[in-house]
Amino acid sequence: NAGVTQTPKFQVLKTGQSMTLQCAQDMNHEYMSWYRQDPGMGLRLIHYSVGAGITDQGEVPNGYNVSRSTTEDFPLRLLSAAPSQTSVYFCATAGLAGTDTQYFGPGTRLTVL
Amino acid sequence: AQSVTQPDIHITVSEGASLELRCNYSYGATPYLFWYVQSPGQGLQLLLKYFSGDTLVQGIKGFEAEFKRSQSSFNLRKPSVHWSDAAEYFCAANSGTYKYIFGTGTRLKVLA
Repeated sequence: NAGVTQTPKFQVLKTGQSMTLQCAQDMNHEYMSWYRQDPGMGLRLIHYSVGAGITDQGEVPNGYNVSRSTTEDFPLRLLSAAPSQTSVYFCATAGLAGTDTQYFGPGTRLTVL
Repeated sequence: AQSVTQPDIHITVSEGASLELRCNYSYGATPYLFWYVQSPGQGLQLLLKYFSGDTLVQGIKGFEAEFKRSQSSFNLRKPSVHWSDAAEYFCAANSGTYKYIFGTGTRLKVLA
């Protein structure tokens, strides 16, 4: 079992470029989520999904798009990158009960110049 | 608004000393509560969680946490810290709506 995988590990973009951060899981979890981690801010929820075809916004959704076509994958798209999106991005998965443990991927460090 | 507060940004303790990391929450009703640990360059790992029942919760790596409803707190403790415990610790909560809220984290330094 790979658990939760994220690609790439590192990425540098120029302002205005687009890219997709990949997240895949083999835990058969219905819940998947994306967070960004910034110094002094903790983790902030960007978007989440409770199953294929179902997504919703978190605390900081602006500038990001998501889709969930399969249980396994939950990509995060930046359509036009901005320096304010420089951050470390984490994907997490869990079962659907609010008490379920979230399992985090290793993160993607994104720099937007 | 719902929030999770970790008042201490940095804490330094000597190896073998006891540890307490503070977490306070602000929710309309008692949320589900979690503590996670993040080692440098890594993702987060769950230490323990509370959702009902016994207010003293045991976790992995010798950690425990006590839920106090009257103080809206969920403090993390360890009786004797090891050098390998140096990491960043996050308190988190959710009210069952899938929108987890994390605190800003406490970075623990352990002196040999």
